Amino acid sequence: GQQVMQIPQYQHVQEGEDFTTYCNSSTTLSNIQWYKQRPGGHPVFLIQLVKSGEVKKQKRLTFQFGEAKKNSSLHITATQTTDVGTYFCAGPGNDMRFGAGTRLTVKP
Amino acid sequence: NAGVTQTPKFQVLKTGQSMTLQCAQDMNHEYMSWYRQDPGMGLRLIHYSVGAGITDQGEVPNGYNVSRSTTEDFPLRLLSAAPSQTSVYFCASSYSKEDGGAFFGQGTRLTVV
Repeated sequence: GQQVMQIPQYQHVQEGEDFTTYCNSSTTLSNIQWYKQRPGGHPVFLIQLVKSGEVKKQKRLTFQFGEAKKNSSLHITATQTTDVGTYFCAGPGNDMRFGAGTRLTVKP
Repeated sequence: NAGVTQTPKFQVLKTGQSMTLQCAQDMNHEYMSWYRQDPGMGLRLIHYSVGAGITDQGEVPNGYNVSRSTTEDFPLRLLSAAPSQTSVYFCASSYSKEDGGAFFGQGTRLTVV
């Protein structure tokens, strides 16, 4: 599997502020997946990006795949307390490897 | 659909004991995998399988064995438990490596004393 690096490790925001997490690879990725894990829960699949420059939206979440297919980002607009959790990106392959995750906390 | 079912949810072992973590999926997925999650370490791949009868090692396979005799089941065996294996274990399955995301079980919280 292809390794992916994710930053930042932690992000603390005030409710209503925006949040972005970044995922980077040294090699070209055929696709990238994003997951969310609530505290005490299990990872839940959010989305898969496949095409160069692809942008997908899910309500307040915007996912981007870089033109070179080596990086990706997840942006949350106007965070809410329900957004709390850890967001992971994962590279492709039979042996899917996850980034270290970005833990988001939101202060009401 | 039950999805991915892991048992047990919690387990305490003594050092040197062996045990099997069970994982079953009812979605007819070919791909299954085991991850461990430690604080600050994210999800690390232990073993994975691309179909019945086929298994391979991930990043941290030492101390663990797997087998895949059926499409549905992918048990993880701890041969001789060590405190370093204290972790939360997740089983995951997916239809294919390129199509769609992975479904995760609820996790097994294992403590080795």
